[in-house]
Amino acid sequence: AQSVTQLDSQVPVFEEAPVELRCNYSSSVSVYLFWYVQYPNQGLQLLLKYLSGSTLVKGINGFEAEFNKSQTSFHLRKPSVHISDTAEYFCAVSEGGGFKTIFGAGTRLFVKA
Amino acid sequence: GAGVSQSPRYKVAKRGQDVALRCDPISGHVSLFWYQQALGQGPEFLTYFQNEAQLDKSGLPSDRFFAERPEGSVSTLKIQRTQQEDSAVYLCASSLLRTSGSDEQFFGPGTRLTVL
Repeated sequence: AQSVTQLDSQVPVFEEAPVELRCNYSSSVSVYLFWYVQYPNQGLQLLLKYLSGSTLVKGINGFEAEFNKSQTSFHLRKPSVHISDTAEYFCAVSEGGGFKTIFGAGTRLFVKA
Repeated sequence: GAGVSQSPRYKVAKRGQDVALRCDPISGHVSLFWYQQALGQGPEFLTYFQNEAQLDKSGLPSDRFFAERPEGSVSTLKIQRTQQEDSAVYLCASSLLRTSGSDEQFFGPGTRLTVL
C-alpha cells in the first residue's frame, strides 16, 4: 500500500532564507508525485508534479522538487522564501492508472520577517 | 464558474442528523473526487466519479456515507446519522480528464462539518 510521510509538521524560516520541505513515500509500483499548497481559507492548488523523465521538477512561485527513487523521496525546495509563501504544503502520491491520491499530513511553512 | 465551489462552507449538525454537502466542479471536468480532511491531517480519499459513474468508493468510512453525481456534473456527499467522528473538512476536487493518476486536481474550498 502507498503511504506518504512528511517529516516536519512545522518549518519556521526567515524571509529570503532557503527552505526544504521533506517528503518520503512508499509504494510497490511506479508512482506519480505531487506537491500541493494550501493558503489560508483557500483550496489546495498544485505547485508541481513528477510524472517521468528529469528528476528535477520546477513549479510555480520559484519552487522545485527532486525525485530520488533510491531514497523514495520528493523533497520540495525554494532558494529564497517570501512572507507570502506562508501556507500548508502537502506531498501526495498516486499510482499510474489508479484513482486514489494519497496525501501526507502536511507541513506548515511559516515565513518570518 | 471559474473554479470548484462547495456549499455550505460551514455546517453544524447535531449527532444523529443527516447532512448533504454539495460540490460544483469546473464545467466540463470528467473526474470528481471527495476527500475528508481531519484537523491537522492531509486529505483522505473517499470516492471517485468518472462522469456519473462512481468507480471507486473504497474510502467511504461506513455505510452512513453516500455520494452521487447523477448527471455527471454536480455531486452530493450525504452523511446519515452523523457522529462526532464525522467532524472534518470535506473537500471536493475535479480534473479535466478521466483520471490516470497523473492529472492535476482542482480543489474547492471545502465544507467544514462540526457534529455536536
